[in-house]
Amino acid sequence: AQSVTQPDIHITVSEGASLELRCNYSYGATPYLFWYVQSPGQGLQLLLKYFSGDTLVQGIKGFEAEFKRSQSSFNLRKPSVHWSDAAEYFCAVENAGNMLTFGGGTRLMVKP
Amino acid sequence: GAGVSQTPSNKVTEKGKYVELRCDPISGHTALYWYRQSLGQGPEFLIYFQGTGAADDSGLPNDRFFAVRPEGSVSTLKIQRTERGDSAVYLCASSRGTSGFTDTQYFGPGTRLTVL
Repeated sequence: AQSVTQPDIHITVSEGASLELRCNYSYGATPYLFWYVQSPGQGLQLLLKYFSGDTLVQGIKGFEAEFKRSQSSFNLRKPSVHWSDAAEYFCAVENAGNMLTFGGGTRLMVKP
Repeated sequence: GAGVSQTPSNKVTEKGKYVELRCDPISGHTALYWYRQSLGQGPEFLIYFQGTGAADDSGLPNDRFFAVRPEGSVSTLKIQRTERGDSAVYLCASSRGTSGFTDTQYFGPGTRLTVL
């Protein structure tokens, strides 16, 4: 069965610093991978998704993610974090049945 | 256009009671999903509708949970004999329902259910 691991439960970065959130997946076939962000009181918002092709994917709000098959990873990055990026971030993999399997999430805090 | 909406936003009930949670998907979306998010965890899949029928209900935890989508739009998640362990945020998502993996799920704000 597919699974998603986000090793970091909490991360704190200073505003303006770079960010990398880790995601590792376990899936038998070619994975279809997603990053969502969840702000307090709001629904999950899609940041970016990977289906095939270029392994570096650009998303909204200046985020990007790189798919590395050899490492079973799909890490999310941003070169310069803004205070408004403080939220919870979820990595997910989609299986053949259309359902999403989510990781446990990483809570990002931004120091001024 | 309008996104996915869910009502109520909060529901407090007593153990043993029956609750209904409603989801209004994005207009024209044929696929609808329910997920449950417990405190400090990622969402977990419950059930997936394609049109009026449940295409996959493998995530429903037991027979106290049931969901319907009689006209292929609005869906209701029904929980009988609620237990304290049912307390969670229940998320609904919808998508166009196109084939393949290019379909994107759009999530509603969720219903926070608290069972006392």
